[in-house]
Amino acid sequence: NAGVTQTPKFQVLKTGQSMTLQCAQDMNHEYMSWYRQDPGMGLRLIHYSVGAGITDQGEVPNGYNVSRSTTEDFPLRLLSAAPSQTSVYFCASKDLGLDHTQYFGPGTRLTVL
Amino acid sequence: ELKVEQNPLFLSMQEGKNYTIYCNYSTTSDRLYWYRQDPGKSLESLFVLLSNGAVKQEGRLMASLDTKARLSTLHITAAVHDLSATYFCAVDGNAGGTSYGKLTFGQGTILTVHP
Repeated sequence: NAGVTQTPKFQVLKTGQSMTLQCAQDMNHEYMSWYRQDPGMGLRLIHYSVGAGITDQGEVPNGYNVSRSTTEDFPLRLLSAAPSQTSVYFCASKDLGLDHTQYFGPGTRLTVL
Repeated sequence: ELKVEQNPLFLSMQEGKNYTIYCNYSTTSDRLYWYRQDPGKSLESLFVLLSNGAVKQEGRLMASLDTKARLSTLHITAAVHDLSATYFCAVDGNAGGTSYGKLTFGQGTILTVHP
């Protein structure tokens, strides 16, 4: 199992550009989520999904869109990048069953100039 | 709104010493997680605590949960340099219901272990 994978690892954007951060998992997990990590603030939840076709907002959703067309993939779209979105982005997934562990991907480091 | 606070935020320890990191949270929950993060890396799951009084141990780390006090502790015994990392606690705010993985994280504790 590859677990949770994210691409790209690093990205630099100019203000106003759009892009999609990719996330995939091969563990057949129902739940997937996106977090951003900023210095001194821990991780904050952006969006999450409880299954294909079902998404909802987290704590800091503004400026981001998500969709979940398959169980495996959960892309995060930045519509018009702003410097405030400079951060490290982590995707995570979790099983519905007895394993409550949430598995995190390797992260994408995004810089918006 | 669920708030999670860790203390201390910075911890400098000598090898061989013991110390405790505290995690307080503001609303009822019975699911608490501890993660480790090395610089530039992802988060590694350490412990999942699912009920009041839960205690789990792995090597030199032991975590406990007191849901009535809304407090979890991560105790480090006889620290070694390899334990240097940032430690996060996280709380599932959907208390008693299905865990959707909506975690609220503490700020993190940066642990440095010196020889």
